[in-house]
Amino acid sequence: QQQVKQSPQSLIVQKGGISIINCAYENTAFDYFPWYQQFPGKGPALLIAIRPDVSEKKEGRFTISFNKSAKQFSLHIMDSQPGDSATYFCAAGGGGNKLTFGTGTQLKVEL
Amino acid sequence: NAGVMQNPRHLVRRRGQEARLRCSPMKGHSHVYWYRQLPEEGLKFMVYLQKENIIDESGMPKERFSAEFPKEGPSILRIQQVVRGDSAAYFCASSPLRQASTDTQYFGPGTRLTVL
Repeated sequence: QQQVKQSPQSLIVQKGGISIINCAYENTAFDYFPWYQQFPGKGPALLIAIRPDVSEKKEGRFTISFNKSAKQFSLHIMDSQPGDSATYFCAAGGGGNKLTFGTGTQLKVEL
Repeated sequence: NAGVMQNPRHLVRRRGQEARLRCSPMKGHSHVYWYRQLPEEGLKFMVYLQKENIIDESGMPKERFSAEFPKEGPSILRIQQVVRGDSAAYFCASSPLRQASTDTQYFGPGTRLTVL
């Protein structure tokens, strides 16, 4: 099963709050889990990525938490800002180099 | 250092015409991937190429679609006899010479194809 399930579909967070987006996968051959940020009319931009040898990775306000046994991973955006309003995609890759993407989460950060 | 470049950014075609989408990878990158994004959906893998070789085309429709990455010049995604269902954003990504099981992919700005 190549599917990556992402939730929620949309998310509204107050400025300064924590945004949390979750993804789950089935294929145990996946060994690379990136998150991409996409603004309207633009291409996806790599935000942060993790491999399954660690359970957490932090870069600035962005943290990936990874649970290998549950086959789940999540993106946490701390101190969310209006400029973070965008669509976020999780993805998974392994072996053949192609990425399997989730369906996306539209994040809106309100003042 | 230029990123992944795609052109045209917007392309309008009538049903039955051909669409050619071009992608120049980042400098030093020898792997190119094409993805399609339908409105309100995630990206779907189409094809993975290296110079002069198609490595994985498992996501390409069997008919009308083809891709190439010649020794010189950009990668081309070609759609023959376009239909309205081909309307989508087409993204190209590139990665450097393979170092790990999956390399980081950097995406271009996309080509938005509209079929009238």
